[in-house]
Amino acid sequence: AQSVTQLGSHVSVSEGALVLLRCNYSSSVPPYLFWYVQYPNQGLQLLLKYTTGATLVKGINGFEAEFKKSETSFHLTKPSAHMSDAAEYFCAVTDYGGSQGNLIFGKGTKLSVKP
Amino acid sequence: NAGVTQTPKFQVLKTGQSMTLQCAQDMNHEYMSWYRQDPGMGLRLIHYSVGAGITDQGEVPNGYNVSRSTTEDFPLRLLSAAPSQTSVYFCASRDALLASGRADTQYFGPGTRLTVL
Repeated sequence: AQSVTQLGSHVSVSEGALVLLRCNYSSSVPPYLFWYVQYPNQGLQLLLKYTTGATLVKGINGFEAEFKKSETSFHLTKPSAHMSDAAEYFCAVTDYGGSQGNLIFGKGTKLSVKP
Repeated sequence: NAGVTQTPKFQVLKTGQSMTLQCAQDMNHEYMSWYRQDPGMGLRLIHYSVGAGITDQGEVPNGYNVSRSTTEDFPLRLLSAAPSQTSVYFCASRDALLASGRADTQYFGPGTRLTVL
């Protein structure tokens, strides 16, 4: 069965610093991978996704993620953090087979950005 | 398009009360789902539907009931609310599975914050 592990429930960076949020997955088949962002008291918004093709995926707000099959990872990065990036970030993989492609989420990483 | 809408935004219930959380989408998506979000637990799937008249259980279905009479609507019913059901509930929808057999992007509603006393 597919699963997702996000390393670090809280990450704090200074404004202008590199953002790195880690996600590892397990899947018996080539996965579809997603990063969602949740701003305080709001719903989830798609940040970026990997389906097939180019392994470096660019998303909204300057974020990008690289699919590394050998490392079973899909880490999210942004070169320079902004105060508005403070939010909770969820990595997810789609289940495959009889479960109709349900999303399986990691437990989330809350990003704080210090001025 | 309004996307995925949920009502109410906030609700307080007493233990044992019942209520229905409403979810609607205007994107003609076949697939709809309900998740609950609890601190440190991520999002967990409660129930999902792959089309009108078809529903199935997710990871945490106990205490919840769903039906899907139309493509647009997917209400979630709490039969007898318990404090353990205090949570934030999200509805989501997406298109049918791709030709590859995999699922593409799900779109989420704004959530309903439920407190059970």
